[in-house]
Amino acid sequence: DADVTQTPRNRITKTGKRIMLECSQTKGHDRMYWYRQDPGLGLRLIYYSFDVKDINKGEISDGYSVSRQAQAKFSLSLESAIPNQTALYFCATSGDRYNEQFFGPGTRLTVL
Amino acid sequence: QKEVEQDPGPLSVPEGAIVSLNCTYSNSAFQYFMWYRQYSRKGPELLMYTYSSGNKEDGRFTAQVDKSSKYISLFIRDSQPSDSATYLCAMGQGAQKLVFGQGTRLTINP
Repeated sequence: DADVTQTPRNRITKTGKRIMLECSQTKGHDRMYWYRQDPGLGLRLIYYSFDVKDINKGEISDGYSVSRQAQAKFSLSLESAIPNQTALYFCATSGDRYNEQFFGPGTRLTVL
Repeated sequence: QKEVEQDPGPLSVPEGAIVSLNCTYSNSAFQYFMWYRQYSRKGPELLMYTYSSGNKEDGRFTAQVDKSSKYISLFIRDSQPSDSATYLCAMGQGAQKLVFGQGTRLTINP
């Protein structure tokens, strides 16, 4: 089984809808991250969490919120989706070597 | 100016060629330098991890860091079609978050 899983893998939704992307990990890592990837822009950090009680905004947090339900689970929500949130979303984790991040398979989100 | 700049390519080379991928950066506080490889429809995976300046070799891959020039490179020797992927550089300082380059799309032609 994969160490970092994301659900759903693909999602198409409409403008204004609320969407939740989920991430689970079995690596036992404390740190978890949400990124979005757009062509030509690389990976941009949305939110990150160093433990269950510590959540921080990344460089592009507007329009997103997160919930760290447990050490192993970190969810990303789009409260009211808009078309420019169409992107590939990745969850990642890191342990003691916190610069070594392990990524999930990604969620392809399309907002119409 | 972006903190990390990476030529997005695409880069296409014949099998067996030596490939050079590069990133420049502006933040002199970066201490950790990484290269991730991302296959199509997959998440990035860590390929090379380097602390501070110098070279690191792993099989056909060599990572090079020149902190005085704020420049890092990844060399791939005897490139194979299976090396076709997007390569992302990433940098960090201490316990802070990573900053990624835009990624370079590489194709190795048989």
